[in-house]
Amino acid sequence: DAGVTQSPTHLIKTRGQQVTLRCSPKSGHDTVSWYQQALGQGPQFIFQYYEEEERQRGNFPDRFSGHQFPNYSSELNVNALLLGDSALYLCASSLLRGGLRHEQFFGPGTRLTVL
Amino acid sequence: QKEVEQNSGPLSVPEGAIASLNCTYSDRGSQSFFWYRQYSGKSPELIMFIYSNGDKEDGRFTAQLNKASQYVSLLIRDSQPSDSATYLCAFVRGDSGGSYIPTFGRGTSLIVHP
Repeated sequence: DAGVTQSPTHLIKTRGQQVTLRCSPKSGHDTVSWYQQALGQGPQFIFQYYEEEERQRGNFPDRFSGHQFPNYSSELNVNALLLGDSALYLCASSLLRGGLRHEQFFGPGTRLTVL
Repeated sequence: QKEVEQNSGPLSVPEGAIASLNCTYSDRGSQSFFWYRQYSGKSPELIMFIYSNGDKEDGRFTAQLNKASQYVSLLIRDSQPSDSATYLCAFVRGDSGGSYIPTFGRGTSLIVHP
């Protein structure tokens, strides 16, 4: 049973560039959430996708956008990169109808460095 | 007031001791609570969840929830050096869409020394 996978593992970009991160959820899961984790901080919610639509969004600017495909995999796009976008980007998969036991399973993350 | 408060630590305990990690939250609508372990440079790994008042035990881990005091804790018995990591507390409140987005604390760093 494959867990959550993310690619790439590391990425170095320069300010102003654009980046696309990819995630495949755990088998049987239908919901993908993206988080940004800066050094020394807890994960901050970016947005969540279900049935190819963005269901909820955290306090992130429109430079952050995403997509979910029919096979439940997802992409996170960040435009006009800023130095402050340097962080670990985490994808988490879950079942929307998980109820109180709403466990999220995290992928290994993508470490983005913006120079 | 932050939604989830955790002492960033580090909390240092000797091998074999009990490590006690604490978390307070401000949202009384919180329904479920989670403890994640995160090793340096790795992603968070779920180790415990609890949604009823009281204690929940799983091996060497015990989660304690007190909704009246808005307090959740994690006890690690017989601490091992391999338990050295950052422990993230998170809570979930149901929303009208049922999407249950967890809110995370910044984590407590635990160091277990031999």
